[in-house]
Amino acid sequence: KNQVEQSPQSLIILEGKNCTLQCNYTVSPFSNLRWYKQDTGRGPVSLTIMTFSENTKSNGRYTATLDADTKQSSLHITASQLSDSASYICVVRSSGTYKYIFGTGTRLKVLA
Amino acid sequence: SQTIHQWPATLVQPVGSPLSLECTVEGTSNPNLYWYRQAAGRGLQLLFYSVGIGQISSEVPQNLSASRPQDRQFILSSKKLLLSDSGFYLCAWIQGLHPPFSSYGYTFGSGTRLTVV
Repeated sequence: KNQVEQSPQSLIILEGKNCTLQCNYTVSPFSNLRWYKQDTGRGPVSLTIMTFSENTKSNGRYTATLDADTKQSSLHITASQLSDSASYICVVRSSGTYKYIFGTGTRLKVLA
Repeated sequence: SQTIHQWPATLVQPVGSPLSLECTVEGTSNPNLYWYRQAAGRGLQLLFYSVGIGQISSEVPQNLSASRPQDRQFILSSKKLLLSDSGFYLCAWIQGLHPPFSSYGYTFGSGTRLTVV
């Protein structure tokens, strides 16, 4: 069964600290993996996309990694800011379909 | 540039009343359109998707229906709302053209918070 699991469910960190969010998936065949940021009450916004051949990709203070062999991805946030407080959602697409499998997200709260 | 509009932003409806949520996309043609529901503390659940006018695929049996009367318009409806229909509804689109399809991702609307009372 195609699934995407994220950990931790929630995370609280102090402003300026780093953190890493995890995403494990069983989607097969794999096409790509995206990380989204969703502010409360808003639609998700794409942060980065990882395809099979990519191991690391950065977008400002966000760095995503992908290990296609172990089917794991991580999102590392450097020097966190209050505005990073949001839910982070991992989404995996299976090749040849219009369907995307969503993780339940990690709720991050950054405290001053 | 492409934009997606979704309205209303919030809605409070009594049980048994009808529902109509509208989503339109601008700046593109032949998009694939999706309706998702996000319950509190839960992930996004795909409700419907459409790859063309009049073409609707339903993912889960439910009290809702969807229609696509025009290329860039997607409507989510219900004849009689249930309490369990409460949630955050998101419309999304993705480019419908083919390869490199794998590089495209969703663009989401701003969402509709529906509360059924």
